[in-house]
Amino acid sequence: QQQVKQSPQSLIVQKGGIPIINCAYENTAFDYFPWYQQFPGKGPALLIAIRPDVSEKKEGRFTISFNKSAKQFSLHIMDSQPGDSATYFCAANSDGSRLTFGEGTQLTVNP
Amino acid sequence: DAGVTQSPTHLIKTRGQQVTLRCSPKSGHDTVSWYQQALGQGPQFIFQYYEEEERQRGNFPDRFSGHQFPNYSSELNVNALLLGDSALYLCASGLAGVRYGYTFGSGTRLTVV
Repeated sequence: QQQVKQSPQSLIVQKGGIPIINCAYENTAFDYFPWYQQFPGKGPALLIAIRPDVSEKKEGRFTISFNKSAKQFSLHIMDSQPGDSATYFCAANSDGSRLTFGEGTQLTVNP
Repeated sequence: DAGVTQSPTHLIKTRGQQVTLRCSPKSGHDTVSWYQQALGQGPQFIFQYYEEEERQRGNFPDRFSGHQFPNYSSELNVNALLLGDSALYLCASGLAGVRYGYTFGSGTRLTVV
C-alpha cells in the first residue's frame, strides 16, 4: 500500500519532443506528490510538486497532471532538451517526513 | 550557502565490518533523513532525525542506526555489513513541519566486498 509504481523504466525522445512519465499510487493518505531529477553521481533534486486539490501544475517546461480518482499522476516535459537527459523519480508523502519513491525513469533526449 | 554535505563520497568495506557515514544539513534546516538507493532503484527511506531523536523509521534492520548532533548534523551507522548493503546512501535535510523543500546531498557510494 506504500508503493508508488512508475513507468516507463526508460524513455528516448528527440530534442523538442514531449516525454511523459506516469506514476500510480494506492495509499489514499498520500497528499503531496513531488518529482525529482537525478543526474549521475548526484542526489535527487526537486523539480516540481503538486497537491491533490489541483489537477495540473506548470513550472517552466515541466507540467504535472494529477488524477485523484484514478490515483495517478504524470510528468510532461515540454520542448525537451539534451540537458534534460537524467533519471526522473516520482514520489509521494503523507506525513511530512518520509518520501516514497517510484522506481525511476531513465530519460534520454537525442540532439 | 552550502547545501547538504555528505562524507565520504566513496567507501569500500569488507563484509562484516562496520561503517559510519556523515551528513551536514543545509543551513537553516533542522531535520535529517537517510535513504538507501540501490543501483537502478528509487531511494528507500531508512529513518529521520529531529531534535536528536529518531522520529520515523523505514523497513530496515537494527543493523542500521543513526545519530543527530546538537548542530543538526547526522551520522548513519551500519553494522555487520552485507554485500546487499552496497548502495548510494543519501542524506536529505529539511525544516520540521514543512512538507516541501527537502534538499538531498550527492550521497556516499558504499561498496561491500
